[in-house]
Amino acid sequence: DAGVIQSPRHEVTEMGQEVTLRCKPISGHNSLFWYRQTMMRGLELLIYFNNNVPIDDSGMPEDRFSAKMPNASFSTLKIQPSEPRDSAVYFCASRTIAGGRETQYFGPGTRLLVL
Amino acid sequence: KQEVTQIPAALSVPEGENLVLNCSFTDSAIYNLQWFRQDPGKGLTSLLLIQSSQREQTSGRLNASLDKSSGRSTLYIAASQPGDSATYLCACGSQAGTALIFGKGTTLSVSS
Repeated sequence: DAGVIQSPRHEVTEMGQEVTLRCKPISGHNSLFWYRQTMMRGLELLIYFNNNVPIDDSGMPEDRFSAKMPNASFSTLKIQPSEPRDSAVYFCASRTIAGGRETQYFGPGTRLLVL
Repeated sequence: KQEVTQIPAALSVPEGENLVLNCSFTDSAIYNLQWFRQDPGKGLTSLLLIQSSQREQTSGRLNASLDKSSGRSTLYIAASQPGDSATYLCACGSQAGTALIFGKGTTLSVSS
């Protein structure tokens, strides 16, 4: 398995532009998570889905952020309009439950810089 | 609201030393606790998963313990190697099927 796939790996954009981050979870995993990591705040949960349904989006900072999961193999995180304070590494993770044990697998992240 | 703290934020040790990384959490009603490793510029890799009913888990030179009553977990690394240099994060799950709450991590540097 290729693991969790994220694209792009790096994104540099100007303030006000729309940014779309993409994630392909591991096949068969039924939960997907979006996290944001910064030096100041560490790793923060933005939103997660179970069976393609958003369960908890309380971590989404503002209405400028939106996430979708149209099917079990694809999710997007969109920022519109982007601001310099959105600069961070955005991780996607998917989860499996095997033998009653839940394990999350992380993608390599998208490093976003908003100028 | 669950808060996870890891102290120290950074640790430097010589190769071969045994070391302990600490993790504390405010709400003892956890479902599980995971330790992750993060290499610079990379994603997180799960190292050990401890269910709430368990006291410890071991994998090779790594041993993680869990004391729910005191709200603490430790990650013990035996005979450290330069390849162990990375950031180690612990994370708590409050219920089955919910998201993890992460600490900010301890950055470990092992010198040869």
